[in-house]
Amino acid sequence: EIVLTQSPDFQSVTPKENVTISCRASQSVGSFLQWYQQKPDQSPKLLIKYASQAFSGVPSRFSGSGSGTDFTLTITSLEAEDAATYYCHQSGNLPWTFGQGTKVEIK
Amino acid sequence: QVQLVQSGAEVRKPESSVKVSCKASGGTSSTFGISWVRQAPGQGLEWMGRIIPVLNIANYAQKFQGRVTITADIATSTTYMELSGLTSEDTAVYYCARDPGVAALIHYFESWGLGTPVTVSS
Repeated sequence: EIVLTQSPDFQSVTPKENVTISCRASQSVGSFLQWYQQKPDQSPKLLIKYASQAFSGVPSRFSGSGSGTDFTLTITSLEAEDAATYYCHQSGNLPWTFGQGTKVEIK
Repeated sequence: QVQLVQSGAEVRKPESSVKVSCKASGGTSSTFGISWVRQAPGQGLEWMGRIIPVLNIANYAQKFQGRVTITADIATSTTYMELSGLTSEDTAVYYCARDPGVAALIHYFESWGLGTPVTVSS
């Protein structure tokens, strides 16, 4: 089973700051890495697929990069509505797995 | 736009079973996959397994092998997840999520249900 480790676990950020979240895989997943956003009491929502492809309707301030074992989600100029927990997810190998999540709080 | 409508909250006693449903509507693909993902209170997301309804092929996470069964009814566009041998550690919100399936090279969860809370308590 591929283990995804996100860092940091928690980040407190002021609006308009840039946010970077890392996701490291225990073995290569190619580019089969997604990012989801989950707000309290809501279902997760897809932000980025295939490491760097923004999903339909996702604001341009969200971007993804990386391949193999190291991936990054970047939120450029954070907005208050971006307060949420962010998860990476690999679909390169069964069983599919998720990172433990990174909670982003607005200062 | 694909919609996934899940069944309502459930309360079960330890050692019993629960069966949760997920009805899909909208969308044009017939080869999509449906996964079940659970989230314990205050915890992260955990993938349990997936089925491709049109092929009736299911894969499960090893952690749940022997306890979980995912089935699909093509006629009603409904997928089911049954979990047996429940313990308090199975208390969680259970989500269904749809991926593009066999027609796509990339698999991602493009749509999610609202979740079904399952509480296991004596």
